[in-house]
Amino acid sequence: GIQVEQSPPDLILQEGANSTLRCNFSDSVNNLQWFHQNPWGQLINLFYIPSGTKQNGRLSATTVATERYSLLYISSSQTTDSGVYFCAVALANQAGTALIFGKGTTLSVSS
Amino acid sequence: GAVVSQHPSWVICKSGTSVKIECRSLDFQATTMFWYRQFPKQSLMLMATSNEGSKATYEQGVEKDKFLINHASLTLSTLTVTSAHPEDSSFYICSGRAGDQPQHFGDGTRLSIL
Repeated sequence: GIQVEQSPPDLILQEGANSTLRCNFSDSVNNLQWFHQNPWGQLINLFYIPSGTKQNGRLSATTVATERYSLLYISSSQTTDSGVYFCAVALANQAGTALIFGKGTTLSVSS
Repeated sequence: GAVVSQHPSWVICKSGTSVKIECRSLDFQATTMFWYRQFPKQSLMLMATSNEGSKATYEQGVEKDKFLINHASLTLSTLTVTSAHPEDSSFYICSGRAGDQPQHFGDGTRLSIL
């Protein structure tokens, strides 16, 4: 099956710092989503981004589908950004397939 | 945006009992629903995929007789953990999808089996 690798596995930042999270995937995809899982377990959908670049406030994401990777940028990090960030993909040419998740990046932002 | 409601959010029960978890799409018709399980400090692992009116497709290693999935309508899917044991304790998350639209996730159910 498709492999989804996220890096780094853990990231510790001071408040105000910027960071880049990476997601590599092993096959062509037609769906890629970035999520933030908060301490209560809720998955917050950050971006639906099978290709291109999107921005939402301090967050932005870029997916280069031809090179099979996606990047999530967090600028001016805040303590509320702490949690686990997941990248999840679904295979192309298979309608209705489920998202497959990477192992996540655990972000800790301290004040 | 699309909302998926999952209930209960937390359940504790005795070993040997059955537990039902509901997943509802509130403002869209979920042609496909998915069930995931997440153990502490780990990622989400897909358990099964269900299309409305059809039998669920289970991932390898997931016991279909233990984890009963019903998707009787375009807005409701249920997961029943039968004869639950402590090793079934986990965080279960459902999601719904309309066609090729993004998947939308419920808030999850923490299941603790004593």
